[in-house]
Order: sequence, then C-alpha cells, then structure tokens
Amino acid sequence: GQNIDQPTEMTATEGAIVQINCTYQTSGFNGLFWYQQHAGEAPTFLSYNVLDGLEEKGRFSSFLSRSKGYSYLLLKELQMKDSASYLCAFMDSNYQLIWGAGTKLIIKP
Amino acid sequence: NAGVTQTPKFQVLKTGQSMTLQCAQDMNHEYMSWYRQDPGMGLRLIHYSVGAGITDQGEVPNGYNVSRSTTEDFPLRLLSAAPSQTSVYFCASSYSGSSSGANVLTFGAGSRLTVL
Repeated sequence: GQNIDQPTEMTATEGAIVQINCTYQTSGFNGLFWYQQHAGEAPTFLSYNVLDGLEEKGRFSSFLSRSKGYSYLLLKELQMKDSASYLCAFMDSNYQLIWGAGTKLIIKP
Repeated sequence: NAGVTQTPKFQVLKTGQSMTLQCAQDMNHEYMSWYRQDPGMGLRLIHYSVGAGITDQGEVPNGYNVSRSTTEDFPLRLLSAAPSQTSVYFCASSYSGSSSGANVLTFGAGSRLTVL
C-alpha cells in the first residue's frame, strides 16, 4: 500500500534551525513535494525532489533519500512568518499526489 | 494574472441542498483538480481533469460531480449536501498532470463549506 507520515506539530525558536521529517511508502515514485500553508490560506509550493540529495533554495532546503523513503525540509534563520503548516506529498506511479496531514510549525520569539 | 479563482469563500448549506463551487484559472493549465482538507488529514483528491472534456475520479468522489467544458473552468457540484461534506475545498491547477516535474500545483484561496 501507500502511506506518508510527518509529525503533527513542532516548536522552534526565532533565528534557529528546524528540520521537518517526512517518511513514505509506495511502490511507484515520481517525486516529492513540500508546500507551505499559513492558517486560513492556500498551500503554496516550496520544493520538489525527484533525485537523492539536497536541494537548497535560500533559507529552505529539502532532502530526499529514495531508498529509505525519507525526506526532510530544513528551515534556517527562522522568522515569525515561518509559522505555518508544512505539507509533504509524494507523486505515485499514476502521477497522483499522496499528501501527509501536515506539520504545524510554531515559532517562539 | 489572477491565478486560480474560487467562489464562494464561505457557504452554509442545509442537508439535502445542492450547490456549485466555481473554479477558474487564467494560466492555460491543462490539469485542474478539486481537493478537500479536513483537520488531521492530508488533502484528499475529489475529482480531476487533464484537459477540456476529460474528467476522472479521485480518492473521494462520492456525492460530487464535475465537468470541464473549457480549459479555464472546473466547477464542483454537490448534489445533495450531507454534514460529512463540511470541509474546506481547494481547487488547484498545474501545467500538466502527467509530468512530475511540471506538476507544481497552484491553489485557489479555498471555500469553507458548512453543512447543517
């Protein structure tokens, strides 16, 4: 079967670094996405990984290990505006997205 | 560009009523989809379309209908609303539904539906 898992909630301090993990199981894989969703708003695209390794984009980086079914989103120099939910989703062999329930990130001053 | 426009933003229905959620995109995207988002659950795909005249069912299609008569519009119809359909609904589109690298979704602002 297919499933995807990420922590429900995390807390971090402004200016610090936080890593949000995502694990998945699937027989067919066409990439992994991370989206950010502020409360009451629509999800917005952050990153896409299809090959193993680290993709860096400013303060945000995303890592993928296909053999381990594992990804993480790394947020550096945390700002209060980073308080949001972070959604992990993989694309299966039919190009359908399977979504995690999201990780709510709380940033404290 | 407006992106993806969804209406209405909020709606309250009584059980058994029908309604249509509107979705329009101006990016010439081939792929359009409808999701529902419920607390503690991931986004769940209701219906999707890979082009005008083509629609298909997602994970949770029961109680919903869609049509795609133009590239721009993808309305979602609730046939006979039930309390289980209380949710936040998102319309999303992308350039292509069959190429993983081109499948970055642009979401509408969402429609919060309450069924009493």
